[in-house]
Amino acid sequence: SQQGEEDPQALSIQEGENATMNCSYKTSINNLQWYRQNSGRGLVHLILIRSNEREKHSGRLRVTLDTSKKSSSLLITASRAADTASYFCATDAAGANSKLTFGKGITLSVRP
Amino acid sequence: EAGVVQSPRYKIIEKKQPVAFWCNPISGHNTLYWYRQNLGQGPELLIRYENEEAVDDSQLPKDRFSAERLKGVDSTLKIQPAELGDSAVYLCASRDPGGAGETQYFGPGTRLLVL
Repeated sequence: SQQGEEDPQALSIQEGENATMNCSYKTSINNLQWYRQNSGRGLVHLILIRSNEREKHSGRLRVTLDTSKKSSSLLITASRAADTASYFCATDAAGANSKLTFGKGITLSVRP
Repeated sequence: EAGVVQSPRYKIIEKKQPVAFWCNPISGHNTLYWYRQNLGQGPELLIRYENEEAVDDSQLPKDRFSAERLKGVDSTLKIQPAELGDSAVYLCASRDPGGAGETQYFGPGTRLLVL
């Protein structure tokens, strides 16, 4: 079963624009992570936010977490063509001992 | 630092045939995961190892799937016999027990096509 649900399923933007992706989940979590997957490749960890954190930054990435709404958002600023990939949120449920549950993913296309 | 290594990268077999996938995790990573990723979906956990012990295999279809991690390093995932519905990408990941400890590092995956 997949706990996280990303929104939108697909996003197409122009290079230089910002991309915002959302994730909702169902159960209490220890942390929430975002991963990127380029076509035909494995997943690459982008950023982790813990349940007691509300916002984190890493380079052009900004992630927020609202535990009351059980939702998270990932913002990629000043997007580049190289950001074209699928993005997944994954939740580490409380008590799950580092077992990640992934959503279905968001396909991001950045047009040059 | 070498990443997670998986082989083969691609495998095409006929249904009812056996198939095996191999994974070499990042050196020093005690925790190893096998995931299955169907087309258009996120990865789903099949089994998790802590060293050589399978600590979570609740999602592993045990009638046809088996896995082992001898000596707590490399791991092999086997399907016997394969069915059409097993066509997917099989991902291996490992986790660093130190540091933050929560990040998983993924290999490139083995893309399986069952005909």
